[in-house]
Amino acid sequence: QKEVEQNSGPLSVPEGAIASLNCTYSDRGSQSFFWYRQYSGKSPELIMSIYSNGDKEDGRFTAQLNKASQYVSLLIRDSQPSDSATYLCAVNIGSNYQLIWGAGTKLIIKP
Amino acid sequence: DTEVTQTPKHLVMGMTNKKSLKCEQHMGHRAMYWYKQKAKKPPELMFVYSYEKLSINESVPSRFSPECPNSSLLNLHLHALQPEDSALYLCASSPVPGTAYEQYFGPGTRLTVT
Repeated sequence: QKEVEQNSGPLSVPEGAIASLNCTYSDRGSQSFFWYRQYSGKSPELIMSIYSNGDKEDGRFTAQLNKASQYVSLLIRDSQPSDSATYLCAVNIGSNYQLIWGAGTKLIIKP
Repeated sequence: DTEVTQTPKHLVMGMTNKKSLKCEQHMGHRAMYWYKQKAKKPPELMFVYSYEKLSINESVPSRFSPECPNSSLLNLHLHALQPEDSALYLCASSPVPGTAYEQYFGPGTRLTVT
């Protein structure tokens, strides 16, 4: 069974520090990897996508992909209280439109 | 612009009612999705339309009936729902099928079945 695993948290990080969120996946055929942010009561918002090994940076966010070790991570620099949310990792194996979702990590940024 | 709109924002319906959820996107995306999300759980895929044709039905009960009138619109018709169907219903769209499958979500419809 194809799985995506995340630590459910909560992960508590001081304001201004780096928040590190991790995700592992089971299917070596996985091709596309996504990080979504979801505030309580709101819909998921796509914040990062990554398709090849290495780092991808967008503002304060960096996604890291290591296909050999089957993990993808999200780093948030200079964390702000507004970054407090649940972060969902989603993986597409390329054979259809389906995303395999992790359970999400709740991130709390403490002022 | 990555906007997907959904109406209504909230819906309360009885078990004998018939209602519809609506979704619209003007990004030229040719794949559209319906998801159901329960509290503290990730989204669960219900249906996928690709080029206005139903391509995936995740064994969803027949009391949920999707419809894609054109490439910008997606409806979900509801009939004889159960209280356990109460959830956040999310619409999403993605660019041309066969690419990266980046999915963009609408704000959702909070459905309560009484």
